[in-house]
Amino acid sequence: GAVVSQHPSRVICKSGTSVKIECRSLDFQATTMFWYRQFPKQSLMLMATSNEGSKATYEQGVEKDKFLINHASLTLSTLTVTSAHPEDSSFYICSAREGTSGTDTQYFGPGTRLTVL
Amino acid sequence: AQTVTQSQPEMSVQEAETVTLSCTYDTSESDYYLFWYKQPPSRQMILVIRQEAYKQQNATENRFSVNFQKAAKSFSLKISDSQLGDAAMYFCAYALGGGSQGNLIFGKGTKLSVKP
Repeated sequence: GAVVSQHPSRVICKSGTSVKIECRSLDFQATTMFWYRQFPKQSLMLMATSNEGSKATYEQGVEKDKFLINHASLTLSTLTVTSAHPEDSSFYICSAREGTSGTDTQYFGPGTRLTVL
Repeated sequence: AQTVTQSQPEMSVQEAETVTLSCTYDTSESDYYLFWYKQPPSRQMILVIRQEAYKQQNATENRFSVNFQKAAKSFSLKISDSQLGDAAMYFCAYALGGGSQGNLIFGKGTKLSVKP
């Protein structure tokens, strides 16, 4: 149980294009999903928190117009990197939390490696 | 603000031996949760163990156990009978409780190597 999928696992795009990454909770309903970014050999940095049916909460320094997050259902959240540039190249990881309490454990997707040429 | 510190960038252990990974944190809250996550080369984050701050008893999961010292704000992970598959990055993480969003704050990680 508690499986989270991400698609695509790898994407290469040209500078200026937009890329959408999907995060799905496969066997549970996720009231809250989180999006992280991880640079090589570094820790995970939280980008934003999304709750189903409401606007995402972005961390300081994260451009909300560049990283569009939609949490349209209890099992799906999407991250769209708009007008991608080479500096957006990174490993993006989502996680999903079951339930409504901060006590619940987050389960992570396998990540998406984005390369912007 | 809450912070998590892992002071050991890299650790090494011989197969079948025991290793302890250190983690300290800073918070003024009383209701929170602590986690250890493992990230193997596949980069899939895997929950290793979880500790509720209100519980005095240290959490254990098979070969993995923690030493939770609340007053010292220390949360170390002990891996017993280390196996080759334990080689990975290990991240200590903190989450606020009490009905919060549960955002995880991660340490910088410790890379564990297991020697055969």
